[in-house]
Amino acid sequence: DAGITQSPRYKITETGRQVTLMCHQTWSHSYMFWYRQDLGHGLRLIYYSAAADITDKGEVPDGYVVSRSKTENFPLTLESATRSQTSVYFCASNPGTDTQYFGPGTRLTVL
Amino acid sequence: DQQVKQNSPSLSVQEGRISILNCDYTNSMFDYFLWYKKYPAEGPTFLISISSIKDKNEDGRFTVFLNKSAKHLSLHIVPSQPGDSAVYFCAASLPSGTYKYIFGTGTRLKVLA
Repeated sequence: DAGITQSPRYKITETGRQVTLMCHQTWSHSYMFWYRQDLGHGLRLIYYSAAADITDKGEVPDGYVVSRSKTENFPLTLESATRSQTSVYFCASNPGTDTQYFGPGTRLTVL
Repeated sequence: DQQVKQNSPSLSVQEGRISILNCDYTNSMFDYFLWYKKYPAEGPTFLISISSIKDKNEDGRFTVFLNKSAKHLSLHIVPSQPGDSAVYFCAASLPSGTYKYIFGTGTRLKVLA
């Protein structure tokens, strides 16, 4: 009963490389979200998904791609990483109530 | 254009005293507000919430107050404990049914023993 997990927890990559951050939840929650946390900005929504095969942009979607072929997985891909994408990334899920459940985060550094 | 603002980046309080964390918002259409707590190297965890039809919600040591006319909410922690030391985020959502939140920038609370 892991709940919501993210992998990797830490990642260092270089500018221009493609990176995929994984998110997996065991609850079968319909809604899933990706946020980034940056100093001075709090948590900002990148993408969200209301169900499998349904995704939509959040506040800061540029440079990111998501997919959701299965309810439990919601990977986030940086197609060509930039230094400005250095951040801590959080995945969250929601069963259709007003409470979101967050994963432990992935710290990404782009050199 | 920050729709949810937490103007105090940090706050220090003595153990046993009251901690008051503040949050302001600009969009009068927000209908639900939440507070999340975050420890280092962990994801945020839900703390307490309030609907826009209420002005107060209490859960143990935590109380959230909502002043719609001032577009202001606050979180009171009484009594404060060292384990309350964390970053606190307020968040707001619109009545869109998407459960998307707009988060504030966070306030780091330090409770001194």
